[in-house]
Amino acid sequence: QTVVTQEPSFSVSPGGTVTLTCGLSSGSVSTSSYPSWYQQTPGQAPRTLIYNTNTRSSGVPDRFSGSILGNKAALAITGAQADDESHYYCVLYMGSGIWVFGGGTKLTVL
Amino acid sequence: EVQLVESGGGLVQPGGSLRVSCVASGFTFSSYWMSWVRQAPGKGLEWVANIKEDGSGKYYVDSVKGRFTISRDNAKNSLYLQMNSLRVEDTAVFYCARVRIRQLQRLLYYFDYWGQGTLVTVSS
Repeated sequence: QTVVTQEPSFSVSPGGTVTLTCGLSSGSVSTSSYPSWYQQTPGQAPRTLIYNTNTRSSGVPDRFSGSILGNKAALAITGAQADDESHYYCVLYMGSGIWVFGGGTKLTVL
Repeated sequence: EVQLVESGGGLVQPGGSLRVSCVASGFTFSSYWMSWVRQAPGKGLEWVANIKEDGSGKYYVDSVKGRFTISRDNAKNSLYLQMNSLRVEDTAVFYCARVRIRQLQRLLYYFDYWGQGTLVTVSS
C-alpha cells in the first residue's frame, strides 16, 4: 500500500522561510507524480496552491513555490505571514485514475 | 464563477445508506472529471473516488470499493456518491472537487476547485 509522507508539524518565525516535503514510503517522487499542494484552515474547504510540481494556482502569491528536492516534492514558503498558519496537504497521482494524499503538515507561525 | 455545492449529508446508522450530491455551475460540467474527497473529524484529506467526463471510467480508494458508487448526470450538472454498508469510520466531511487532467497538451492531474463539503455522520 502506497503511503505519502509529510512532516506532521512545522514551525516558522514570521518573515522566515520553511520548506515542507512530500515523499513516498517506497520510491521517489518525481514530476511524473504530478504533485500538487493544498492549504486548509479549520472549518474551510481546501485551497489549491501549487499544481504540476511548481505551477502556482491563480491568485497564489509568489511567496509559495513548489519543486522536487532530492526524492521528494517540496513546498517552500518565504516571508511567512501569520495567515500562512494552516494545514498543508500534498497529493500525488499514482496513475490509473488514483490519487493519494499525504497526511498533512500543520504549520505554525510564531 | 465556478461553484460546487454539496448536499445530502446527515446522520445514518452503521450498515445504512446515504447519497450525497454536488451541483456544479460556472463551467461546462460534462468536460471535466470529478472527484469526491473526504476528511474525517480532526484528520487529513483522503481521495475517495473519481469519474470521467462521460461516466465511462470510475475509480475508487480500496476502502470503499464495493460499497460506494460514484455517478454523474451531465444534463443536471450533478455529481453523486451513493454510499452503502456505511461504517463508523466513514464519518467525514465529503468534498466535491473538479479534476483538471490537462490544459491543451500539458498533463496536470490535480484538483482545481472545491465545494464547501457536506458532513456524513455514521453512528448508532
